[in-house]
Amino acid sequence: GAGVSQSPSNKVTEKGKDVELRCDPISGHTALYWYRQSLGQGLEFLIYFQGNSAPDKSGLPSDRFSAERTGGSVSTLTIQRTQQEDSAVYLCASSLAGRTLYNEQFFGPGTRLTVL
Amino acid sequence: KQEVTQIPAALSVPEGENLVLNCSFTDSAIYNLQWFRQDPGKGLTSLLLIQSSQREQTSGRLNASLDKSSGRSTLYIAASQPGDSATYLCAGGGSGGSNYKLTFGKGTLLTVNP
Repeated sequence: GAGVSQSPSNKVTEKGKDVELRCDPISGHTALYWYRQSLGQGLEFLIYFQGNSAPDKSGLPSDRFSAERTGGSVSTLTIQRTQQEDSAVYLCASSLAGRTLYNEQFFGPGTRLTVL
Repeated sequence: KQEVTQIPAALSVPEGENLVLNCSFTDSAIYNLQWFRQDPGKGLTSLLLIQSSQREQTSGRLNASLDKSSGRSTLYIAASQPGDSATYLCAGGGSGGSNYKLTFGKGTLLTVNP
C-alpha cells in the first residue's frame, strides 16, 4: 500500500517568509509525528498527534512553528517568519497507534527546506 | 533525558562480511528500540522494532538485539552486500507517557565494497 507522502519535496524560501509543509500519513494510522533533521544535529522530535487527543508540541523549537492535523489524517507544519537556522529536512512519520505496542513508525521521504 | 549514541560513526567492509552496528542509550526504562536505514537524500526505512519485553528481532539477514540492563542494542548484518550501504540509525522510544517520542542516534554510515 501507499506509504507516508510529503510535499513539497524541496522548498527554497527567503528569510522572513512563511512556509507550509504537508504530510499524508498511511491510511488507517492514527498517530502522526513530525521530526527535523539538521546537519550536525541529527533527528529531533517536533510534534505528535494521536487521534483527537491534544497534540504533544513539546519539541517545537519556537512559537514560529505550528502544526495541525485535519480530520485525523493530513497534517500541515507551518513555519512563520523563517530564519536561516530553520533550514533542514522535515520528516513526517505515522504509526497505527502511539503509546501502544503498535507504534512502529514509518517515515515519509521528507521535505528539504532551504532558507536563503 | 534519553541520549542515544552510535559507534562507529562510519564503517567500511568488504562484501560478504558479517558486521555489527552498536547503539547505546542512557535510560534503561526505554519503551522500545527501532532500527532504520537512510539512503542519501531519502527518508528513513524501518528495519526492525524491538519492544521493551523482547530481546531480539530478526528479518532476513538482519538481527537486532536489545539489552536494557546494559543500555545496548546491536544490529547484526549477515553476508553484507553493496546494496546494504546506507546510514543506519537507532532510535529509542521514551519511558513513561512519552513512549511514542523517538530519540535518535547520529547514525553509522556503512559502506560495503564490492
